[in-house]
Amino acid sequence: DGGITQSPKYLFRKEGQNVTLSCEQNLNHDAMYWYRQDPGQGLRLIYYSQIVNDFQKGDIAEGYSVSREKKESFPLTVTSAQKNPTAFYLCASSIDPRREQFFGPGTRLTVL
Amino acid sequence: GENVEQHPSTLSVQEGDSAVIKCTYSDSASNYFPWYKQELGKGPQLIIDIRSNVGEKKDQRIAVTLNKTAKHFSLHITETQPEDSAVYFCAASRHTDKLIFGTGTRLQVFP
Repeated sequence: DGGITQSPKYLFRKEGQNVTLSCEQNLNHDAMYWYRQDPGQGLRLIYYSQIVNDFQKGDIAEGYSVSREKKESFPLTVTSAQKNPTAFYLCASSIDPRREQFFGPGTRLTVL
Repeated sequence: GENVEQHPSTLSVQEGDSAVIKCTYSDSASNYFPWYKQELGKGPQLIIDIRSNVGEKKDQRIAVTLNKTAKHFSLHITETQPEDSAVYFCAASRHTDKLIFGTGTRLQVFP
């Protein structure tokens, strides 16, 4: 069953702690993306990777970090430097940047 | 910078009526315009897309129109059904560039 998965669905962390969100795809896609979604706003791009071992900052990269050591995995770390981390995080992938993006089910992060 | 404006932010229609959502983009080099549907608590799903060499595209009850001169594109849903209720996002991008999303439209279809 092909697709893109994110875990966990809900995540709670204390302020000041780093947290890593998982994103895995078995679609053999080269490109992967992380978005943040806040109420009343569109999706905002955090980081993206067009190929393994390479990634670029999106529009709101401050306070976040990523790695792309494997084609199928693109984990996102929300660091303590992110001032307002509570949000819904969405991961997406595409076969290449010119093609449609497929989204995962999302992770809702709440920082207490 | 690049910007996509989307209107309206909420839209309520009676079942069977049509719904229209409009988006305007700022980057004249944009050439790919997808529309996504997001149900509550889920990730967005692509429902239709259009490229700049086409003026209109249809898929059953949904259609998208593109006016490159005016830099706007619209989603049309005909014969709406309660299961069409969701948040819809438009987006725009250049050839190999990142997607820029609109702020979303919450569509409610009342039976």
